[in-house]
Amino acid sequence: DIQMTQSPSSLSASVGDRVTITCRASQSISSYLNWYQQKPGKAPKLLIYAGSSLQSGVPSRLSGSGSGTDFTLTISSLQPEDFATYYCQQSYSTPFTFGPGTKVDIK
Amino acid sequence: QVQLQESGPGLLKPSETLSLTCTVSGGSISNFYWSWIRQPAGKGLEWIGRIYTTGSTNYSPSLKSRVTMSVDTSKNQFSLNLSSVTAADTAVYYCAREGHSSNWYWFDPWGQGTQVTVSS
Repeated sequence: DIQMTQSPSSLSASVGDRVTITCRASQSISSYLNWYQQKPGKAPKLLIYAGSSLQSGVPSRLSGSGSGTDFTLTISSLQPEDFATYYCQQSYSTPFTFGPGTKVDIK
Repeated sequence: QVQLQESGPGLLKPSETLSLTCTVSGGSISNFYWSWIRQPAGKGLEWIGRIYTTGSTNYSPSLKSRVTMSVDTSKNQFSLNLSSVTAADTAVYYCAREGHSSNWYWFDPWGQGTQVTVSS
């Protein structure tokens, strides 16, 4: 199985801050990497697929980059609705695996 | 707009079989992979497995011995059976469609999730 790690596991930030979350795969996964946002009591929501493609309806302040084993999710200017937990997920091979999540909360 | 809705018993006893159904509305179930994903309270997401509309399946190795998935295209539904459940199977269970473009796959949309608790 491909293991996914994320850092940090949590962070505190203020509205307007630039936030970067890192995801690392245990082996090369090309750009088969997706990002999701989850709010309490809700299902995850797709943000970015194929490493850097923004899902329709997702604000352009979010962006994804990376390939191989190292990936980043960046929020250029944090908004109140961005406080949530973020997960990366590899779709390179089954079993599909998720990172442990990064919780973004209000400083 | 495609929507997914999970249904099934919310409370099971140890050793029983968990049976969940996901009903797809607003679009056809055909020509997609459909997955089950679970999340214990306060923890991360675990992929259980997927089924294609032809009935072809892939299961997580950690659950493979206990998992069976099926699809009913006439009802636009797919199902999950997980046998011999224990307290460790207590989680919110989600169904999701695998969107795709060429070889790229992602989970979207998701169902709202259904809580399954295993307790004696």
